[in-house]
Amino acid sequence: GAGVSQSPSNKVTEKGKDVELRCDPISGHTALYWYRQSLGQGLEFLIYFQGNSAPDKSGLPSDRFSAERTGGSVSTLTIQRTQQEDSAVYLCASSFQQGSGLAFFGQGTRLTVV
Amino acid sequence: GDSVTQMEGPVTLSEEAFLTINCTYTATGYPSLFWYVQYPGEGLQLLLKATKADDKGSNKGFEATYRKETTSFHLEKGSVQVSDSAVYFCALSDFGNEKLTFGTGTRLTIIP
Repeated sequence: GAGVSQSPSNKVTEKGKDVELRCDPISGHTALYWYRQSLGQGLEFLIYFQGNSAPDKSGLPSDRFSAERTGGSVSTLTIQRTQQEDSAVYLCASSFQQGSGLAFFGQGTRLTVV
Repeated sequence: GDSVTQMEGPVTLSEEAFLTINCTYTATGYPSLFWYVQYPGEGLQLLLKATKADDKGSNKGFEATYRKETTSFHLEKGSVQVSDSAVYFCALSDFGNEKLTFGTGTRLTIIP
C-alpha cells in the first residue's frame, strides 16, 4: 500500500487477555518503529527494528510486551495479560533512511483495556 | 537522557494571526530536530526538520530555526489558516540513536 497500515484501528479487550497489534510498513522501508501515545502524554518509544532484528528494545515497559518482524516487512506487537494502564494509541512508523529521523507513521491502533 | 519540552496547549488563534509554539530540548549528543504534525483523522507526518545549528527548516509557511545556544527549535508561522488546526509535536533524533524523542504535543485550533 501507499502508507503504513495498522490493524485493528480500535481494540477493546478485557483485563488479563492477550492482544496482537499489526503493522504493515511502506514497501522497501527497512526500519520500523513502535511508539505508544497515552492520554496527555507524548509519544513514547517502544522498540526499533532494522530488517528482522531489534537492536533497540529499550522502550518496552515490561516483559508482557514483545514484538517481532518477519520477512523484513510486517510487524506484530503483542501485549500479554493486558492491564488498564496499557490503554493507549499504539503507533507504528517506518523509514527508508536509517538514522535520518524521517519516519512515516500509521494512524495507530487505539487499545482500550476494560 | 534526551528530552523535549514544548509549549503547553491547547492554543486557539484567529485566522491570519501569528503563531509561535515553543520547543526546547536536552540531548547528550548533537541531535537532528523535527516538527511533526497530526491533522484530524490522519497519521503523524513530518512538517519540517533541521540537522545542524542555525539551519532553518521550512514547509507550508511554517519555519523553525535550530538554536544550539538556547537549545531551542520554536515553530513559527506568520499568518495561520483554519486548515492549520492540528496537533504539533516537536521531536529530536540524537546521533547514533534511531529513535525519535517527542514532546507532549500542542493542539492548535484556528477559528475563522
